[in-house]
Amino acid sequence: GQQVMQIPQYQHVQEGEDFTTYCNSSTTLSNIQWYKQRPGGHPVFLIQLVKSGEVKKQKRLTFQFGEAKKNSSLHITATQTTDVGTYFCAGDTGGFKTIFGAGTRLFVKA
Amino acid sequence: SAVISQKPSRDICQRGTSLTIQCQVDSQVTMMFWYRQQPGQSLTLIATANQGSEATYESGFVIDKFPISRPNLTFSTLTVSNMSPEDSSIYLCSAITGVGGYTFGSGTRLTVV
Repeated sequence: GQQVMQIPQYQHVQEGEDFTTYCNSSTTLSNIQWYKQRPGGHPVFLIQLVKSGEVKKQKRLTFQFGEAKKNSSLHITATQTTDVGTYFCAGDTGGFKTIFGAGTRLFVKA
Repeated sequence: SAVISQKPSRDICQRGTSLTIQCQVDSQVTMMFWYRQQPGQSLTLIATANQGSEATYESGFVIDKFPISRPNLTFSTLTVSNMSPEDSSIYLCSAITGVGGYTFGSGTRLTVV
């Protein structure tokens, strides 16, 4: 079946280091979304990418959607302790069939 | 974007009993979605609920076990029936309420003993 693979599963960084998580889909996506879930919290929508090759920035966060619309990445520059949590990508294959990746759990050491 | 109020936030239930989870959206939404999330794991879609029609269930989830109601465009309930310890999980409702993406309720942490 359709899958959205996300790596790495965990990432430990020192505060100030950069962080990247990657998503790959087995099929072409109509869009991809990114969510952040703080420990003990619920997923919070960050952004949606729709266009091939799209790049969007939110302060220290940079989101990319691949040319083939099968992969995406989230890059955080100079991590802070407030970035701690699990980052999920979610690929929409059309018809509100959204498949969530397994998530990347980010740990930031001060 | 809209706000989704979900309750209860947590519960401990005896096996064999049922629990109904409620979600209230502060604006009208066409579709609502129910997810299950094991601690530390990803989200698995249980079903999609449209107002005025029967919910659409994903593979591995059945109406007898997870009946859903959607009486209007701002409210939905999910019942976890005849619970067993394997049903212990976090249950989340969601809806598309803004420009792309899903807004989630705060979740219900269910423990079945």
